[in-house]
Amino acid sequence: DAKTTQPPSMDCAEGRAANLPCNHSTISGNEYVYWYRQIHSQGPQYIIHGLKNNETNEMASLIITEDRKSSTLILPHATLRDTAVYYCIVRASTSGTYKYIFGTGTRLKVLA
Amino acid sequence: DAGITQSPRHKVTETGTPVTLRCHQTENHRYMYWYRQDPGHGLRLIHYSYGVKDTDKGEVSDGYSVSRSKTEDFLLTLESATSSQTSVYFCAISEVGTGREEAFFGQGTRLTVV
Repeated sequence: DAKTTQPPSMDCAEGRAANLPCNHSTISGNEYVYWYRQIHSQGPQYIIHGLKNNETNEMASLIITEDRKSSTLILPHATLRDTAVYYCIVRASTSGTYKYIFGTGTRLKVLA
Repeated sequence: DAGITQSPRHKVTETGTPVTLRCHQTENHRYMYWYRQDPGHGLRLIHYSYGVKDTDKGEVSDGYSVSRSKTEDFLLTLESATSSQTSVYFCAISEVGTGREEAFFGQGTRLTVV
């Protein structure tokens, strides 16, 4: 199964863009990249996902490199409420079934 | 919010006793997953199901068994709980091919084995 590697922690000033990198160099061609975040000990919350193209929604943007070996989650205007652990996940496909493999995450702290 | 409920939310049990955690969904999703989360680790997959009676092992399946006798329920059983199974357990559901292909997570079950 493809693994993801993320920096353990990052700080970002409130109002600035937060750019969270992820390495997934062993990803296969049909495996999607997902981003989730977890605030305190709540259940992880979906942010965005993509396969090859860059994606944007109301929460964030996802930039995937052309070789698909890495991606960046962008929170365009970080707020204090964005302080959380962010997980980059590969949705692995095995014999037609799907499972979500988490990395260890990046703890983002948004500073006032 | 997706209709996913975990029970119990908190449990303390003694070493060697059997424990069953329940995940219930109202979304009719095919896929259901059990994860555990420990300090210093992200979520690690224990078992998952891709349909009634169809299950498979994840990364950390030793000491755990699962059952899915109907679409809405996915049970995780610790046959003989050990202190190393003290953890927070999360259930998730997902579907494929519907345009909404993200996994939705429950609020977690905090299990303490003493």
